[in-house]
This record gives sequence, C-alpha cells and structure tokens, in this order.
Amino acid sequence: DAMVIQNPRYQVTQFGKPVTLSCSQTLNHNVMYWYQQKSSQAPKLLFHYYDKDFNNEADTPDNFQSRRPNTSFCFLDIRSPGLGDAAMYLCATSSVSRETQYFGPGTRLLVL
Amino acid sequence: DQQVKQNSPSLSVQEGRISILNCDYTNSMFDYFLWYKKYPAEGPTFLISISSIKDKNEDGRFTVFLNKSAKHLSLHIVPSQPGDSAVYFCAASMWEYGNKLVFGAGTILRVKS
Repeated sequence: DAMVIQNPRYQVTQFGKPVTLSCSQTLNHNVMYWYQQKSSQAPKLLFHYYDKDFNNEADTPDNFQSRRPNTSFCFLDIRSPGLGDAAMYLCATSSVSRETQYFGPGTRLLVL
Repeated sequence: DQQVKQNSPSLSVQEGRISILNCDYTNSMFDYFLWYKKYPAEGPTFLISISSIKDKNEDGRFTVFLNKSAKHLSLHIVPSQPGDSAVYFCAASMWEYGNKLVFGAGTILRVKS
C-alpha cells in the first residue's frame, strides 16, 4: 500500500543534542510537509517542499532545518533541541497544490 | 492568532445518535475547508472537504455544512458508531496560501455503545 512512513516513532534526545527525524513516501507526491503538534494544540506547519523548492514558515525557529534529497525522502533536523521542542512531529504529502494531504503516523520527540 | 478554532475540546455521544462537531474561522479569505480524523498512534486521515462555493457536502454518514456569513462549519455524523471515536481536526486553506492548511486544535469525540 502507498503510504507515508516516519522513523523513528519515538525519539528521545538530550537538551542541545542534534536530532534528525525521517519521513519517506511511496505516493510519489510532489509536496512534503513537516508539522509540529504540541499536546492539545493544532498541528502547526513548520515548512514544506514543492519538489526541490523549500518554503519556510515565517515563525519557524532557525533551530529547525529540513532536507529533501529526493522525491521520496524528507528529513527534519533540530540543531539544538530545547525542552520546548518536545512534541509530535507529523510529516504529510500531497500531489499538487490544494490537494488532500496524507499524513504519516508521526514521531514523538522527548527532550531530556 | 488562532485563525481556525474548535471551541469544544471533547464531545460524548450515544451510539446511533447524531454527532455535531463545530469549527469557526476568522479569515474570510479561506475558501476550502477539510475535516481530518485521527486515531491514537496514527496520523490524521482525510475525512471530507467543502469548497466555499458550496454550503453542504455529503459522503455517506458524514456531512459538512458551511455558513460563510457566520464563518462557521460543522461536521455531522449520522448515525454515530463506536468506531467514530477519534480526534477530529478542522482545517482551512486559501488560494494565496497555496497548499498550506491551517488546523484547529481538534475535538475528541467519544461514541458510547
């Protein structure tokens, strides 16, 4: 089945220690998104790629970076995680603009 | 600045009855609205959508109503089933935002058997 896969499902890191979250898709979609969702809050878009074009949200902290080496993979790098970065990180894809987004199961990040 | 609001954190409904989940938005430029459902340990899955040129869209047991003048939409589930128990997110987009969605915080629906 075509799907969006996120690894790992749970990630524990130490304060200030860089961490990378991974997302892959078998849908061959052009657009990939990263969302941050804190407890009982709305998912918040951090950035998205349209093919190789990177689009950063204005309020996304510089601490968050992303890479998309090919159509299938997208990575979220947190350079120096703080306690406030503990959250669920959701990856999503869509074929083109304004089409339905398909979500992965998320990676729950814990910062100690 | 929360542009999409789901003011009810949770809703409990008896099996077989109607579930009504509400969503309000503040930006009149939004022209496309979606509902996503999320089970524990899974990502959100698309449920139903509506364009601003319509006021109703129906798909089986699920109907979404849009009241543009009130900037309000609602999701009706009839009849509710225990398997509908999940978190429901309302989301909105506008042409100028391209493919970006603005989500509400979600409503937890519990359907009691």
